Amino acid sequence: DIVMTQSPLSLPVTPGEPATISCRSSQTLLYSNGDNFLNWYLQKPGQSPQLLIYLGSNRASGVPDRFGGIGSGTYFTLTINRVEAEDVGVYYCMQALQTPYTFGQGTKLEIK
Amino acid sequence: QVQLQESGPGPLRPSETLSLTCFVSSDSIRGYYWSWIRQTPGKGLEWIGYIYYNGSANYNPSLKSRVTISVDTSKNQFSLKLTSLTAADTAVYYCARGSTYSDFWNNYYFDAFDFWGQGTVVTVSS
Repeated sequence: DIVMTQSPLSLPVTPGEPATISCRSSQTLLYSNGDNFLNWYLQKPGQSPQLLIYLGSNRASGVPDRFGGIGSGTYFTLTINRVEAEDVGVYYCMQALQTPYTFGQGTKLEIK
Repeated sequence: QVQLQESGPGPLRPSETLSLTCFVSSDSIRGYYWSWIRQTPGKGLEWIGYIYYNGSANYNPSLKSRVTISVDTSKNQFSLKLTSLTAADTAVYYCARGSTYSDFWNNYYFDAFDFWGQGTVVTVSS
């Protein structure tokens, strides 16, 4: 199985400041077609996960442009340009390259 | 937009079988992969398996011997059966839609879980 490792596990952020979450995979997620099969999800308190970023850098429908994903191969980052109160929750990366699909352990973002 | 709704069982006992159904509204079940995912405080998010609308399935090897996922396109729903339950199967179970995209050569690839149900709590206890 591909192991996904996130850091940090906890991220206190002041509103208006940027935030960055990292995700490493135990195998490359870059496929021969040039796409990186890496997704980012946000699970807000009491809710199910929601898709933020797919294929490494594509924002899902309705996701604000303050969220951005970059990276390739085995190292990826999710950046929030200016954190807002509604961004609190747990962020997960997930590899969609091969089954079994696997998730990172999650990064809990909280407001200072 | 598409909505997914899990039907949940009552409390279950060890060795019993879990049966869950996910109802898909506002969209056809055809053309997508449909997955079950569970979440526990200890193991986090775990993908259980998926079924394509045509009935082909793929399961997590860690659960494969106990899992069956089926689809009923006439009712726009898909289901999960998990046998020989233990306390370790206590979790929140989500159903989710797997979206796909095609390349220039019409090859299709799964890319993300774009819609999720609200989740149903399953408790296994003696």
